[in-house]
Amino acid sequence: SAVISQKPSRDICQRGTSLTIQCQVDSQVTMMFWYRQQPGQSLTLIATANQGSEATYESGFVIDKFPISRPNLTFSTLTVSNMSPEDSSIYLCSCGRSPYEQYFGPGTRLTVT
Amino acid sequence: AQSVTQLDSQVPVFEEAPVELRCNYSSSVSVYLFWYVQYPNQGLQLLLKYLSGSTLVKGINGFEAEFNKSQTSFHLRKPSVHISDTAEYFCAVSDFSNQGGKLIFGQGTELSVKP
Repeated sequence: SAVISQKPSRDICQRGTSLTIQCQVDSQVTMMFWYRQQPGQSLTLIATANQGSEATYESGFVIDKFPISRPNLTFSTLTVSNMSPEDSSIYLCSCGRSPYEQYFGPGTRLTVT
Repeated sequence: AQSVTQLDSQVPVFEEAPVELRCNYSSSVSVYLFWYVQYPNQGLQLLLKYLSGSTLVKGINGFEAEFNKSQTSFHLRKPSVHISDTAEYFCAVSDFSNQGGKLIFGQGTELSVKP
């Protein structure tokens, strides 16, 4: 298994600002992902964080809005840029060593006012 | 493209009663199937997964699920629920050929266990 921590656990931000969320895994993993869970909704994949290269974004998500870094096999960051109230969500980091072994972090609860 | 449909958005049930949470998926290739649980204000926890082999999969907390390829379903069951099972349950799929494990989630089913 893998233990994932995220920082911050929650934040309240003003419209137009940016927030960077950190994801730390307790061991090296091949795959890391970022998901968004809007209020009362399911999880939607934002992007796959690739180590040493640009992230792979899903349809509807762009790098300018959600820049992602992954400098090594245990750490990744997601930035939510130029925030609006519609960005209020829970952002979850996940990781895995194979397609059938994926673990989730506790999430970052973001409120944009 | 893959998709997952959870047929019930909310399932109220009395304590010690059996429960079934329904999940159907769509995929043109073979898939892995998962059930996750999300307790209030917490992250996701894996309940069980189907990779191959026996179609009846047993998970944690007394839950089990049955993979039915012909009906493209992966329903979750528990013979007797507890108050502590109150949570949101998500069905998810990952296909063998994707870029490495990204999951497609259903809309979730809110299980509410009443005393």
